[in-house]
Amino acid sequence: GAVVSQHPSWVICKSGTSVKIECRSLDFQATTMFWYRQFPKQSLMLMATSNEGSKATYEQGVEKDKFLINHASLTLSTLTVTSAHPEDSSFYICSAPSARITTYEQYFGPGTRLTVT
Amino acid sequence: GENVEQHPSTLSVQEGDSAVIKCTYSDSASNYFPWYKQELGKGPQLIIDIRSNVGEKKDQRIAVTLNKTAKHFSLHITETQPEDSAVYFCAATSGNKLTFGGGTRVLVKP
Repeated sequence: GAVVSQHPSWVICKSGTSVKIECRSLDFQATTMFWYRQFPKQSLMLMATSNEGSKATYEQGVEKDKFLINHASLTLSTLTVTSAHPEDSSFYICSAPSARITTYEQYFGPGTRLTVT
Repeated sequence: GENVEQHPSTLSVQEGDSAVIKCTYSDSASNYFPWYKQELGKGPQLIIDIRSNVGEKKDQRIAVTLNKTAKHFSLHITETQPEDSAVYFCAATSGNKLTFGGGTRVLVKP
């Protein structure tokens, strides 16, 4: 299967600071990547769709100015949580469909645990 | 938009028994239904999927069935093993945007 990595795997930051999370497709190109947020014992909620070379598309209720997404290359998308607050503490996961296999199958990264103190 | 319901939320089975998880979806345009296994602190791992033109698919101890008319699909795990203990998510998609069910926490007791 296709491999997606995330960095860092966990991060602790102080309230008011910004944090950048990277999502990379290691063995395939991804013109589209997805960012999810998962709170403890809950399901994955789609935050936004990251499109290479164009603006991200955000789901209803997700603040685009707070969660900045950049998809500058076919293998890298970044999510920056700006002015983080404790309520932003969550597990952030990215995914990408691998067109090498089909356009349907999505492969997930290992996730990034963000804790805001 | 799509809405996916998943049951049960928790499932405890004895090792060797079967486990069944059921999902329903609302959007008749959905055409791809993957199942993911998520272990604690990790990202979801695709374990099996089914497309709308297929009624059943099997991969070793795992099988998935789809009833398009009723808009429901199920995951069947036979001969469960302790390493099957995890949270399982169903999902549905039209295009490439996934909508997840609420998850089922499966515990396989040795």
